[in-house]
Amino acid sequence: DSGVTQTPKHLITATGQRVTLRCSPRSGDLSVYWYQQSLDQGLQFLIQYYNGEERAKGNILERFSAQQFPDLHSELNLSSLELGDSALYFCASSVNSGDLNRDRSGYTFGSGTRLTVV
Amino acid sequence: DQQVKQNSPSLSVQEGRISILNCDYTNSMFDYFLWYKKYPAEGPTFLISISSIKDKNEDGRFTVFLNKSAKHLSLHIVPSQPGDSAVYFCAASLSNFGNEKLTFGTGTRLTIIP
Repeated sequence: DSGVTQTPKHLITATGQRVTLRCSPRSGDLSVYWYQQSLDQGLQFLIQYYNGEERAKGNILERFSAQQFPDLHSELNLSSLELGDSALYFCASSVNSGDLNRDRSGYTFGSGTRLTVV
Repeated sequence: DQQVKQNSPSLSVQEGRISILNCDYTNSMFDYFLWYKKYPAEGPTFLISISSIKDKNEDGRFTVFLNKSAKHLSLHIVPSQPGDSAVYFCAASLSNFGNEKLTFGTGTRLTIIP
């Protein structure tokens, strides 16, 4: 158990639907990152939140949105789903101690949510 | 635009021999590099890292080499063991406190043959 919890582990839904993926970061970590891994692709950065605020944005579609709540858990909302959205979605957290080397090495991933759009 | 590239999707190595995984990057501003290991049904886990001010970092059986002029890094595993069979991701980042976004490569699947 890495300490980062992602739910659900698997999700099957139809095109056009909306789903919410949930992430609880490791205790004490302030930053949450969302990544998408499609078939044969690397991990594509979607978005980062730090202590409730959006900090960095990557290749995130307008149909996707995220937020981080006061208890630091995060949700990734995917709407108007398309077949191409089928992927593994990973959440990671880090402490943001101010020591960059420690923070980057301390990136902890959850086990992911496998989304299948049919 | 793939800024971090792992051109070998897969690699097979005999147990006990050396495994060498390669990674190239295009952004010369990257100043910190990491390797992550991923088993099936699990998230990636941190393996080893190197700062751009160094050219080598060693941790047990794992050594990472950085060649900044070639924008190339490699991970050496010696000796290779069956438990090393996994997908290995190379990642890079910029110095920017509060934004520790990592840019990942596409991964190399390493298979250790007993």
